[in-house]
Amino acid sequence: QVQLQQWGAGLLKPSETLSLTCVVYGGSFSGYHWSWIRQSPGKGLEWIGEINHSGITNYNPSLKSRVTISLDTSKNQFSLKVTSVTAADTAVYYCARGAGSGINWFFDYWGQGTLVTVSS
Amino acid sequence: IHMTQSPSSLSASVGDRVTITCRASQGIRNDLGWYQQKPGKAPKLLIYGASSLQSGVPSRFSGSGSGTDFTLTISSLQPEDFATYYCLQDYNYPLTFGGGTKVEIK
Repeated sequence: QVQLQQWGAGLLKPSETLSLTCVVYGGSFSGYHWSWIRQSPGKGLEWIGEINHSGITNYNPSLKSRVTISLDTSKNQFSLKVTSVTAADTAVYYCARGAGSGINWFFDYWGQGTLVTVSS
Repeated sequence: IHMTQSPSSLSASVGDRVTITCRASQGIRNDLGWYQQKPGKAPKLLIYGASSLQSGVPSRFSGSGSGTDFTLTISSLQPEDFATYYCLQDYNYPLTFGGGTKVEIK
């Protein structure tokens, strides 16, 4: 059974760097896309970006200049960094596995979520 | 691509048939999924490819549509179905979610 477990600092000050890691248990990295998604308090979902098993990334233009997603296949984990955070980055952050069936892609496994609060 | 869901919330009773719609700002073929989210939990995949039921999801959930207009239907609402539902387009980057539909108990 695939499980995604994530961790990282939950309280940041403005201008600091958000750093989260997601480890994948029970599955391979190959053939999947590994995404980060966030949800601001009481609001909807926003896709941040993804990395595939080859290290190729795609980012949401709304965050692209501040985001880096990286992969460590030896540890079965991938990571998110967001620089220069502000209060607007306060959200629950999720890691998720993107899987495909034919030409359709979907998120079939998710991490448990990490609340990141940005406050001075 | 902007995804517009309607309604943003609805009240329904156990046993009711519930329909949620999602409209894309441009054609997305059938590259759409539906997710259910309960408070404090990660979203759960229900439907992918607009109409394919994810393994383990009850058959009372169904999806339809293609192009710009899509529908999620719950044929007979159960107590465990009270949640917020989101659509997600995977046609192109950036992937975008609808604003959500909260299904509440009447």
